[in-house]
Amino acid sequence: DIVMTQTPLSSPVTLGQPASISCRSSQSLVHSDGNTYLSWLHQRPGQPPRLLIYRISARVSGVPDRFSGSGAGTDFTLKISRVEPEDVGVYYCMQTTKFPFTFGQGTKLEIK
Amino acid sequence: EVQLVESGGGLVQPGGSLRLSCAASGFTFSSYWMHWVRQAPGKGLVWVSRINTNEGITSYADSVKGRFTISRDNAKNTLYLQMNSLRAEDTAVYYCVRGGEQLGDYWGQGTLVTVSS
Repeated sequence: DIVMTQTPLSSPVTLGQPASISCRSSQSLVHSDGNTYLSWLHQRPGQPPRLLIYRISARVSGVPDRFSGSGAGTDFTLKISRVEPEDVGVYYCMQTTKFPFTFGQGTKLEIK
Repeated sequence: EVQLVESGGGLVQPGGSLRLSCAASGFTFSSYWMHWVRQAPGKGLVWVSRINTNEGITSYADSVKGRFTISRDNAKNTLYLQMNSLRAEDTAVYYCVRGGEQLGDYWGQGTLVTVSS
């Protein structure tokens, strides 16, 4: 199975400041079709996850443009340009290149 | 509006069985792969199973292979997960997830399965 490793596991941030989460996969996420199926999700307490970004950098409709994804191969990053109160919660990276699909451990974003 | 509504969770003894259902609406259910993902209390997300549009392809995590069976009824717009020989480590919230180009763009609210004596 592909292991997804996120850093940091906890990130205290100041409102209005940027935040960054890294995700590394144990093998390349480039699919045989040429696409890289790396997504980012956000989960608030008591809620199901919400898809933010798919295929490394494509934002889901309705997701604010302060969220951006980047990376290639085995190293990926989610950036929030200016953290808002509603951004708190846990962020997961997810690979759907190879089954079984796997998730990172999660990064808890908290407000300082 | 896309909706996925899970049901069928509850308390079951080790070795018991449960059948989860996921009622889909607001999209052409028969055109999408569907998935089950679970989350143990206070833990992260784990993929459980997936099924293609016409039940021709199913896949399972090793931890549930041989015990769980995914299926769907496209006429009823419903996804199922039959869970047999349940163990304490199967205790989790089970989410129904839509597949497709933006895999994971819709999740149900989840149904809690508790395996305990």
